[in-house]
Amino acid sequence: QLQLRESGPGLVKPSETLSLTCTVSGGSISSTNYYWGWIRQPPGKGLEWIGSIYYSGSTYYNPSLKSRVTISVDTSRNQFSLKLSSVTAADTAVYYCASPRPDSSSCYHYWGQGTLVTVSS
Amino acid sequence: QSVLTQPPSVSAAPGQKVTISCSGGSSNIGNNYVSWYQQLPGTAPKLLIYDNNKRPSGIPDRFSGSKSGTSATLGITGLQTGDEADYYCGTWDSSLSARVFGGGTKLTVL
Repeated sequence: QLQLRESGPGLVKPSETLSLTCTVSGGSISSTNYYWGWIRQPPGKGLEWIGSIYYSGSTYYNPSLKSRVTISVDTSRNQFSLKLSSVTAADTAVYYCASPRPDSSSCYHYWGQGTLVTVSS
Repeated sequence: QSVLTQPPSVSAAPGQKVTISCSGGSSNIGNNYVSWYQQLPGTAPKLLIYDNNKRPSGIPDRFSGSKSGTSATLGITGLQTGDEADYYCGTWDSSLSARVFGGGTKLTVL
């Protein structure tokens, strides 16, 4: 059973860079043929896809966030990471990492528990 | 404004059936698989339906999915109070090269 866990600071100052890591257990990132994703949810609002990465490093990003987002992968640590630059209060959200199913890359089956990141001075 | 359109809320009585719609276009629902997620308060989303109409192991057959053209529908029969949650549809948008979600629908079981 695949398990994902987000980690990183819960508080980030405006204009700084938000950095989160997703640690995968129960399976190897490099043995999969699908994209691992980051999704966020502002308080009281809906889900927003941030972007996704393949084990080789190939990425897709949400066009509305693309200029500020970098997603990277470290197969040796079985982790993938999110960096979001120049954050504002609008970036305050619960951030989730997620993975598709082995038999379908069109969905997110496995989710981390989520981590709340607050942008405030 | 979400690329996929869902009703903000739906409601029905226990034991009844409810449907939740998800409307998109040819670049997303029309040519890609749709998935549905249930989110209980304070928890991560849970996959209910994938590839338009498939249920992961452990999801009751009270939950069903269908797709027609550029719209998809989630059906829930035999409503229970424990089904009260937010429900989201999702798919890939080939024009945006991005995954997209609906705005979410809050289900109330009266």
